[in-house]
Amino acid sequence: AQSVTQLGSHVSVSEGALVLLRCNYSSSVPPYLFWYVQYPNQGLQLLLKYTTGATLVKGINGFEAEFKKSETSFHLTKPSAHMSDAAEYFCAVSPARAGGYNKLIFGAGTRLAVHP
Amino acid sequence: IAGITQAPTSQILAAGRRMTLRCTQDMRHNAMYWYRQDLGLGLRLIHYSNTAGTTGKGEVPDGYSVSRANTDDFPLTLASAVPSQTSVYFCASSDSGASTQYFGPGTRLTVL
Repeated sequence: AQSVTQLGSHVSVSEGALVLLRCNYSSSVPPYLFWYVQYPNQGLQLLLKYTTGATLVKGINGFEAEFKKSETSFHLTKPSAHMSDAAEYFCAVSPARAGGYNKLIFGAGTRLAVHP
Repeated sequence: IAGITQAPTSQILAAGRRMTLRCTQDMRHNAMYWYRQDLGLGLRLIHYSNTAGTTGKGEVPDGYSVSRANTDDFPLTLASAVPSQTSVYFCASSDSGASTQYFGPGTRLTVL
């Protein structure tokens, strides 16, 4: 069975500092991997995803994530935090399959706070 | 293009009452999903639909039912609401050939 673990339910950084949000997964087959962001009182918005190919994936708003199969990790990073990055971030995994419905398994989420 | 719309935005409901949460998408996606979001648990899948006319159970289906009469609409019904169904409910959709799911703005439901 697939599962997702996000280390740290709350992360706090200073504006301009590095953002690192950790995500580890377990999966019996190579999965698709996602990061979603949720701003207050809004739905989830896709930040980036990994399906196949290059393991370093670039997303919106300057975020990127690297798929490391040997570590079963897909950590999210941003070199310099901005106040507008304050939100909740969810890592998710899905079995790699073509067509049909793709079940997403979500982590519990990490709330990012950015301080001046 | 609206994407996915959900109604109502929020609702307070007495226990035992029946409630239907509405979800409509205009992207012509084949697959649709209902999730509930609870603090510390992330999002959990309630029901899904691969295509119009078919539905399936997700991780937490008990107490909920869905229907998919057409491509655009995917209502979620609570036949007899209980306080443990207090949550934020998100509808999502995806194209059958892709893995990315697109989410609606959510419905905040409180069952007293």
